[in-house]
Amino acid sequence: GQNIDQPTEMTATEGAIVQINCTYQTSGFNGLFWYQQHAGEAPTFLSYNVLDGLEEKGRFSSFLSRSKGYSYLLLKELQMKDSASYLCAVKENDYKLSFGAGTTVTVRA
Amino acid sequence: IAGITQAPTSQILAAGRRMTLRCTQDMRHNAMYWYRQDLGLGLRLIHYSNTAGTTGKGEVPDGYSVSRANTDDFPLTLASAVPSQTSVYFCASSEGLAGSYEQFFGPGTRLTVL
Repeated sequence: GQNIDQPTEMTATEGAIVQINCTYQTSGFNGLFWYQQHAGEAPTFLSYNVLDGLEEKGRFSSFLSRSKGYSYLLLKELQMKDSASYLCAVKENDYKLSFGAGTTVTVRA
Repeated sequence: IAGITQAPTSQILAAGRRMTLRCTQDMRHNAMYWYRQDLGLGLRLIHYSNTAGTTGKGEVPDGYSVSRANTDDFPLTLASAVPSQTSVYFCASSEGLAGSYEQFFGPGTRLTVL
């Protein structure tokens, strides 16, 4: 089976930085994705990591350590529109993308 | 059409009825997927398709069937709906199955089975 853990909720202030951690134990590993999902909407792609290290894309960065089964998504200079759920997903094989339950981030003014 | 569309947006269904959720993409993607999303469980894969004419079972396929007659359409059928199939259903597509291809998601169908 697969186990992907991430915190249920996080709250932060506008302009601050928030780090969402994700730990995984899966039968296979072909990369790790982060998706953003606003309430009542579809998930949208944020980042992909397959090698260890940090990938930076504007205000968002994602880190992966395969040996530790660990990733994090870093959101900098938080804006109100960043209030959403953030989904960690592991590509276990060619077709199977396994998702964590998601972390709901609330940004306060 | 731009991206992926799903129909209906929402539906209330009596238990035991048959229901088909529709999904169409215009990106000429080879791979398509159906997920259900339930509170506290995250997205779970129901069925997938690598290319027109081929389908495969995901994590929770029981009670669901799919077909892939062409590249664009990937309908999901509930032959005899049960209350445990109450969920939000998302269709997704990607250029291919393997590798780093991101999945693009449709807007979802909210299904309630009474």
